[in-house]
Amino acid sequence: AQSVTQLGSHVSVSEGALVLLRCNYSSSVPPYLFWYVQYPNQGLQLLLKYTSAATLVKGINGFEAEFKKSETSFHLTKPSAHMSDAAEYFCAVSEGPGNTPLVFGKGTRLSVIA
Amino acid sequence: NAGVTQTPKFQVLKTGQSMTLQCAQDMNHNSMYWYRQDPGMGLRLIYYSASEGTTDKGEVPNGYNVSRLNKREFSLRLESAAPSQTSVYFCASSPGRVSYEQYFGPGTRLTVT
Repeated sequence: AQSVTQLGSHVSVSEGALVLLRCNYSSSVPPYLFWYVQYPNQGLQLLLKYTSAATLVKGINGFEAEFKKSETSFHLTKPSAHMSDAAEYFCAVSEGPGNTPLVFGKGTRLSVIA
Repeated sequence: NAGVTQTPKFQVLKTGQSMTLQCAQDMNHNSMYWYRQDPGMGLRLIYYSASEGTTDKGEVPNGYNVSRLNKREFSLRLESAAPSQTSVYFCASSPGRVSYEQYFGPGTRLTVT
């Protein structure tokens, strides 16, 4: 069965600094991987997805993630943090077609300090 | 195009009361899902419906029932609410076999006293 581990329940960065949110997965087949963002009191919004095409995936709001099979990782990065990036971020994995439920990590809360 | 809508947004129940959370999507998606979100626990799948007419249990189905009323609507029912069911509930949908990402509603915040 697939699983997701997000390292660090809370990450704090200064405005303008690099954002790095870590995600490691476990899957018995080539996975499909996703990052979602949740702003306070809102639902989840898709940031980006990996579905076995390019290993470096670009998403919305300047975020990107790199799939590394050898490390079973899918870390999320952004070169320069903005105050508006403060939110909770979830990594998710799926092993199958679209009607296979996603398995979510426990989330990482990103704080951006002015 | 409203996407995924959920009603109500907020609800307070007393222990033992029942209620139904409503979810509808207007994207012609095949699959629909119900999750609960609790602090530090991430999202946990309660039930899902891969296609109209089918439902399956997720990770935490106890105390809940679901109905896939038609392709658009997927409701979640609490027959006898318990304080442990205090949570934020999210409905999501996905196109199914064509694509893989899920689209989420805004959530229902439920408190059981």
